[in-house]
Amino acid sequence: NAGVMQNPRHLVRRRGQEARLRCSPVKGHSHVYWYRQLPEEGLKFMVYLQKENIIDESGMPKERFSAEFPKEGPSILRIQQVVRGDSAAYFCASSPRSITGETQYFGPGTRLLVL
Amino acid sequence: DAKTTQPNSMESNEEEPVHLPCNHSTISGTDYIHWYRQLPSQGPEYVIHGLTSNVNNRMASLAIAEDRKSSTLILHRATLRDAAVYYCILLKAAGNKLTFGGGTRVLVKP
Repeated sequence: NAGVMQNPRHLVRRRGQEARLRCSPVKGHSHVYWYRQLPEEGLKFMVYLQKENIIDESGMPKERFSAEFPKEGPSILRIQQVVRGDSAAYFCASSPRSITGETQYFGPGTRLLVL
Repeated sequence: DAKTTQPNSMESNEEEPVHLPCNHSTISGTDYIHWYRQLPSQGPEYVIHGLTSNVNNRMASLAIAEDRKSSTLILHRATLRDAAVYYCILLKAAGNKLTFGGGTRVLVKP
């Protein structure tokens, strides 16, 4: 039973380029969450998506960042015109349904380095 | 949002129990208490959760105070693989957003 998969595991971009991070949730899970962990800091919530819908994007910067979870295929976190401050580990998590107490299953993360 | 307070770090010897405290004095009646841990260079991993009663699973036990203002995660026999940052998180009834604090860094000595 495959867990949450994220790719790439490591991504290097130069300032101004675009970064695309992919997340395949656990099979059957329809809820996806993205978190960001800056160096030496705790994880911060970014966005919560259900298939084809953004439920809560309160933690996502208003500019340059976008997320989607299409009907078919993985969830994508897109960062346009990256800056050095975007360097971080980005973790995706999934859960089977949106009820309190539901466990979130995390992927191994994508480590983004902006040069 | 209700906040949690945890010690920054704790040390334990291998094969000994570890008791990780968490204070959440402003917890509301519908907040669930969740524990996750993050091993070095990995994503967080669910450990256990509870509402009012103590809970046990294969990884750990969760003891919840009667007034719910504090809880303790118990690792019964620490192994070197239990070295991680442990996060105590309150999850509101209305949402699934996990709010991670600083957590407790557990060091297990052989």
